Order: sequence, then structure tokens, then C-alpha cells
Amino acid sequence: SQTIHQWPATLVQPVGSPLSLECTVEGTSNPNLYWYRQAAGRGLQLLFYSVGIGQISSEVPQNLSASRPQDRQFILSSKKLLLSDSGFYLCAWSLDTGGGQPQHFGDGTRLSIL
Amino acid sequence: AQSVTQPDIHITVSEGASLELRCNYSYGATPYLFWYVQSPGQGLQLLLKYFSGDTLVQGIKGFEAEFKRSQSSFNLRKPSVHWSDAAEYFCATGTASKLTFGTGTRLQVTL
Repeated sequence: SQTIHQWPATLVQPVGSPLSLECTVEGTSNPNLYWYRQAAGRGLQLLFYSVGIGQISSEVPQNLSASRPQDRQFILSSKKLLLSDSGFYLCAWSLDTGGGQPQHFGDGTRLSIL
Repeated sequence: AQSVTQPDIHITVSEGASLELRCNYSYGATPYLFWYVQSPGQGLQLLLKYFSGDTLVQGIKGFEAEFKRSQSSFNLRKPSVHWSDAAEYFCATGTASKLTFGTGTRLQVTL
């Protein structure tokens, strides 16, 4: 069966520091991968998605970037964090077999910027 | 563009009572529809999905949802709520490889 791992679970970082959040998927090949941010009391905002190695689509302009160095690895990064980057970050995957596939989520990373 | 509206931000029900969470979608063709549940500090778990066919869909944890094209709705129901159902519920619609989520409904269960 497929599993998704996200780490770290919790992260506290100072303003201006770099960021690297990692997500890996096991048990499937060539998944679609997604990064979402969930601000307190709000819905999910899609940040990036990827349909293959090195293929990244950005949904909103922001201080973050994403990379997919391997088929089942998705990394969310920042060179200099802002206070507004605080939130709950979720990674998700779906099968790359056409439209309407459900997405499956990791347990998330709670990021606090001081 | 596709969109999803969850008109209820917060709902409180008594344990054992029935539950209905509302979801309205906007999409030209037959949409793919999903309901997810999120416990505090956790990721989202898929409850059920609708692609086509029978408009009444059964999911996990005793939940069901009914697709009504005439009302552009996909409401989530449960006949008898348990205290452990307290969580946030998200409706989503999707095409191709992307989903659009509603803003969620927080369910509180009183004993």
C-alpha cells in the first residue's frame, strides 16, 4: 500500500532563516505531488504541484519554492522566511491516471516563525 | 472555473443526533467530488468520493453523501454522530490533477 511521509512535524524558525520541508511517497510510481498551506481557521491553499521529476507548477506568487529531485520526493524551500510564512503545511499525492483522482495527505508540518 | 462552497463555518450537534454538512459546487460538467475530514493537527483523510453512477455514495466511518445535480450539491450525512466525529470537514471538487477545496466546516459534538 502507499504511504506518505512528511517531516519535520513541527518547526520553529526565526525570520530570515532558510526552510526545507521534505515529503516522500512510498508504494507508487510517478505520483502527482502537491504542497498546500493551511492558515489558522482557513481552508487549504495550493502552493505547488508536480506531475513529474523537475516539473513544478506554482499556484501563487510567494516567498517559497518547490523541487522534485526524485520521483517520489517533494521539497518545499525558502531562502529567507517571513512572518507570513507561518502555517500548517501539507503534502499530498495522487495517482497520475487521469482526472478526478483523490489526493492523499501527509500528517503536516506546523511551521512557526518568530 | 470550478469552485466549492461550504456555507456553514461551524456546526454543533449532540452525540447521537443526525448530521448533514452542506457543500455546493460550481462546474459546467459532471464534477468529481470528495469529502475529507481533518482532526486537529493532522492531515486530511478521505471519507468518500463521487465520480459517476449511483448518486448516493457510502464512505468510511458511517458517512454517506448524495450528489444532486439539480441543486449542485454534495451534502455529507451521518445518521448518528459520535463524539469522535468532532473535526473539520472539507468538500472538494477536481478535474485533471488538481482539487479545489471549500473553506471547511468545523463540527463540534456535545455529550
